[in-house]
Amino acid sequence: EAGVTQFPSHSVIEKGQTVTLRCDPISGHDNLYWYRRVMGKEIKFLLHFVKESKQDESGMPNNRFLAERTGGTYSTLKVQPAELEDSGVYFCASSQDRGRRAFFGQGTRLTVV
Amino acid sequence: LAKTTQPISMDSYEGQEVNITCSHNNIATNDYITWYQQFPSQGPRFIIQGYKTKVTNEVASLFIPADRKSSTLSLPRVSLSDTAVYYCLVGDPGSYNTDKLIFGTGTRLQVFP
Repeated sequence: EAGVTQFPSHSVIEKGQTVTLRCDPISGHDNLYWYRRVMGKEIKFLLHFVKESKQDESGMPNNRFLAERTGGTYSTLKVQPAELEDSGVYFCASSQDRGRRAFFGQGTRLTVV
Repeated sequence: LAKTTQPISMDSYEGQEVNITCSHNNIATNDYITWYQQFPSQGPRFIIQGYKTKVTNEVASLFIPADRKSSTLSLPRVSLSDTAVYYCLVGDPGSYNTDKLIFGTGTRLQVFP
């Protein structure tokens, strides 16, 4: 069974540019989550999709971040325009049942210079 | 959401049993206790989840006393590959408001040969 896949694994962009991160959850998992860890900080929740609907986006830092999950399959997280403080590792996770075991991807390391 | 407290770091030697204790004094009636493991450059990986008494799987055991204000993750006969950060999380799997995972600082376990 394929796990959660994230693309790209690394991204280096200049301040002001746009970056789009992609997450392919485990097939059949309705729940999809985005988390991130910025340098020296704890892993923080960003948002939660149930199928294509945003269930909880309380962790999104500001309106420069836009997450979508069209069709309830893969999800994208766009940062536009990127700022230096957006640098960190972005994790995607999926689960079959809410609150149960979540499967995480390898993460996308974003560096904004 | 219940706050958790764990040791920042622990050291052990190969073949020893490691016990990591997590305090969660404000745990709610419906909260479960879940442990995740994270290796460098990887996403967190589910280890074990429990509600009370003892839970055991092929990887670890989880001991939860009657008052549930703490829990202990037990790793039998650790190897070098068990060197990782271990996170204790507390939440209600069935609650909309606590569906997201709240990661603390975790415990960095270093296993020496």
